[in-house]
Amino acid sequence: KQEVTQIPAALSVPEGENLVLNCSFTDSAIYNLQWFRQDPGKGLTSLLLIQSSQREQTSGRLNASLDKSSGRSTLYIAASQPGDSATYLCAVSFERTITGGGNKLTFGTGTQLKVEL
Amino acid sequence: KAGVTQTPRYLIKTRGQQVTLSCSPISGHRSVSWYQQTPGQGLQFLFEYFSETQRNKGNFPGRFSGRQFSNSRSEMNVSTLELGDSALYLCASSINQGRAAFFGQGTRLTVV
Repeated sequence: KQEVTQIPAALSVPEGENLVLNCSFTDSAIYNLQWFRQDPGKGLTSLLLIQSSQREQTSGRLNASLDKSSGRSTLYIAASQPGDSATYLCAVSFERTITGGGNKLTFGTGTQLKVEL
Repeated sequence: KAGVTQTPRYLIKTRGQQVTLSCSPISGHRSVSWYQQTPGQGLQFLFEYFSETQRNKGNFPGRFSGRQFSNSRSEMNVSTLELGDSALYLCASSINQGRAAFFGQGTRLTVV
């Protein structure tokens, strides 16, 4: 079964701290992995997309890494700010779905981040 | 470039009724997917359409259905609503399979 897990479920850090969010997946045959943030009651905002052939992607203070063989991805947030407070979700597109001609994301349960002043 | 637009943003319906939600994807995007988000189950895949054809379907009962029009706009329909259908319904668009997905703001459905 293709599952995605995120640890921790919640995280609270002081402003300015660097932090790492974790995402693991049970099937290493992935096509790509995408990180999103979600503010309460809102839709998802795309942060970073990593293709299966890539090791990392960077956007501003965000850096996402991918280790397919171990079934893991991390999202690194540098110098956290209160505006970073949100739920962070990772979503995997598995190869089997792509080769089958479909387009489906399997989501983790998310990490709720709170950055305190 | 306009983002993904979902209408309506909020809906309150009574058990047994039916509801139709709409999604307009980003211009040029032909793949539209629908997800249900609840506190207990998280984000679950409903179905995906590409060029008016359903390519993927999740594990939801037949009360959940959808369609896509020639302009790529999509609708999803839920018939015979149950209390458990209360959720945030999210639509995502992408150029094609395996490409970055962009989400709308969602439709919050409450069934009473």
